[in-house]
Amino acid sequence: KQEVTQIPAALSVPEGENLVLNCSFTDSAIYNLQWFRQDPGKGLTSLLLIQSSQREQTSGRLNASLDKSSGRSTLYIAASQPGDSATYLCAVVNYGGATNKLIFGTGTLLAVQP
Amino acid sequence: EAQVTQNPRYLITVTGKKLTVTCSQNMNHEYMSWYRQDPGLGLRQIYYSMNVEVTDKGDVPEGYKVSRKEKRNFPLILESPSPNQTSLYFCASSLIIGTHPNEQFFGPGTRLTVL
Repeated sequence: KQEVTQIPAALSVPEGENLVLNCSFTDSAIYNLQWFRQDPGKGLTSLLLIQSSQREQTSGRLNASLDKSSGRSTLYIAASQPGDSATYLCAVVNYGGATNKLIFGTGTLLAVQP
Repeated sequence: EAQVTQNPRYLITVTGKKLTVTCSQNMNHEYMSWYRQDPGLGLRQIYYSMNVEVTDKGDVPEGYKVSRKEKRNFPLILESPSPNQTSLYFCASSLIIGTHPNEQFFGPGTRLTVL
């Protein structure tokens, strides 16, 4: 059964710092992996989607990488800002067993201090 | 504007009173799904649909029903709500690329309280 874990569960950094969020999954048979941000009490906003055949995706200050063989993805945020404060979630779509389900990680709560 | 809409946004009800939460998308997406989000448990998928009249169970389907009679709509039905279904519910949709769902777009959420 696919399990998705995000470490750390919470992170506090000063403004301007570069940071890395981690997402680990136990079953490497995935179609894709997606990163989201969620503001308190709000819905999820898609940040980046990486297909299984890709190694990384970039959007502005965000860069996401995928290493299927090790079951890991990282989200790199450059020059963090207070507006980046939110919960960051990753989710995978499996192609083995439970196909076409989305399985979410536990999330990382990020606080960027001004 | 491309979006996923949910109604109602907030709902307080009593045990056993049937309710429906509507979800609609205007992006012509094939894939639609429902999730619940609970503190400490994260986001869990309830049901998903690959296309009209095609639905399948997610990880926590017990106590819920869905239907997909039109491509744009995917209502979530609680026939006899119980307090353990108090939660924040999200609907999402995406295109299907090949045989699997692609980038997910989420609705704003429905906060349900069952007394």
